[in-house]
Amino acid sequence: AQKVTQAQTEISVVEKEDVTLDCVYETRDTTYYLFWYKQPPSGELVFLIRRNSFDEQNEISGRYSWNFQKSTSSFNFTITASQVVDSAVYFCALSAYSKAAGNKLTFGGGTRVLVKP
Amino acid sequence: DTEVTQTPKHLVMGMTNKKSLKCEQHMGHRAMYWYKQKAKKPPELMFVYSYEKLSINESVPSRFSPECPNSSLLNLHLHALQPEDSALYLCASSHLQGSNQPQHFGDGTRLSIL
Repeated sequence: AQKVTQAQTEISVVEKEDVTLDCVYETRDTTYYLFWYKQPPSGELVFLIRRNSFDEQNEISGRYSWNFQKSTSSFNFTITASQVVDSAVYFCALSAYSKAAGNKLTFGGGTRVLVKP
Repeated sequence: DTEVTQTPKHLVMGMTNKKSLKCEQHMGHRAMYWYKQKAKKPPELMFVYSYEKLSINESVPSRFSPECPNSSLLNLHLHALQPEDSALYLCASSHLQGSNQPQHFGDGTRLSIL
């Protein structure tokens, strides 16, 4: 069984502060993919970043960066210099494919980020 | 604007009504999904269609009936729903199952059952 845990339920910061969201996952699969999605109040889930299980290189994309550590099963996400528009719920998700279950996303519980001006 | 379009955005219905939720995408994706999301909870997978065929049904009650008329459209037919079915219903699509492609989500339909 797969499981994704986001221990932080809510984070509140002041604009321009950095925000780091924690994500810990469990899976028995050797091949899997990890995602971060953003859900603003409008409801739509917006795909942000993806990482596969074979690539532990950490990257930066604009104000977003992520830290994938397979040894600790963690996939943390950082927003640098936060802005009010970053206020949303952020979901970490694990994807794995099996012939029986198909392609399924397992979501963490989500972390609500509130950026105050 | 999202590339997955869901209609209607809001729906209020009684427990005896029959209604349908619609989802459309033109990205050439051959996998389409229905999720249910309650307030302050993550999305829960309901159904997956692959090549217009139902491949996953997560033990969803029969009062929810999915339909995939073609590769661009996905419907969710609703009948005799219960108040606990009130939620945000999200549609998503992606390239072929088994790939590492992300799922693209619509804005959702906010459903209220009276």
